[in-house]
Amino acid sequence: GDSVTQMEGPVTLSEEAFLTINCTYTATGYPSLFWYVQYPGEGLQLLLKATKADDKGSNKGFEATYRKETTSFHLEKGSVQVSDSAVYFCALSDFQGGSEKLVFGKGTKLTVNP
Amino acid sequence: EAQVTQNPRYLITVTGKKLTVTCSQNMNHEYMSWYRQDPGLGLRQIYYSMNVEVTDKGDVPEGYKVSRKEKRNFPLILESPSPNQTSLYFCASSPRGRGNSPLHFGNGTRLTVT
Repeated sequence: GDSVTQMEGPVTLSEEAFLTINCTYTATGYPSLFWYVQYPGEGLQLLLKATKADDKGSNKGFEATYRKETTSFHLEKGSVQVSDSAVYFCALSDFQGGSEKLVFGKGTKLTVNP
Repeated sequence: EAQVTQNPRYLITVTGKKLTVTCSQNMNHEYMSWYRQDPGLGLRQIYYSMNVEVTDKGDVPEGYKVSRKEKRNFPLILESPSPNQTSLYFCASSPRGRGNSPLHFGNGTRLTVT
């Protein structure tokens, strides 16, 4: 079945450091890919998405490129801020046979220190 | 303001006492879903609904019931809660649930079953 694997955390960085959170997936169809972010005490919110191969999603300085050949969707940011401290979830969405299938990775906790 | 509202935010109950967690969205979304979030396991889907009167099991439906009598509401029912249902629960909705629409999440309900 469909699955998402993302790097285990926690990840701790200093402000202005470069961030990469790896995400790979397996899917039987042609999924859409998402990164969600969860700030403390809140629900998840969409950070960025890509719906087909080679698409690049971007938002708030974060980027991720849909790589079909490596089945990956790694999240990157060139210079993190303290306010980026949160849990990040990679997810895929597949629609097959009239049914939606959403699968999340286990989440990666990021802490950014001043 | 467009939002998904869950109630209550916190709930402590005892084994076997029936409870309902309410979820309401004001965006006229067709698709709604319930997830539970547990440490080390990420988000797992409990039930989802593609539209009114259409519900289906997710990955971990045992011990839960749902109903979708009207478009905006999707309550989660625990007929006889057990301690292994202690978790953080999220309701989510999206416009079409067809693989490329992002989810809008509520702020969560933290349930403790003693």
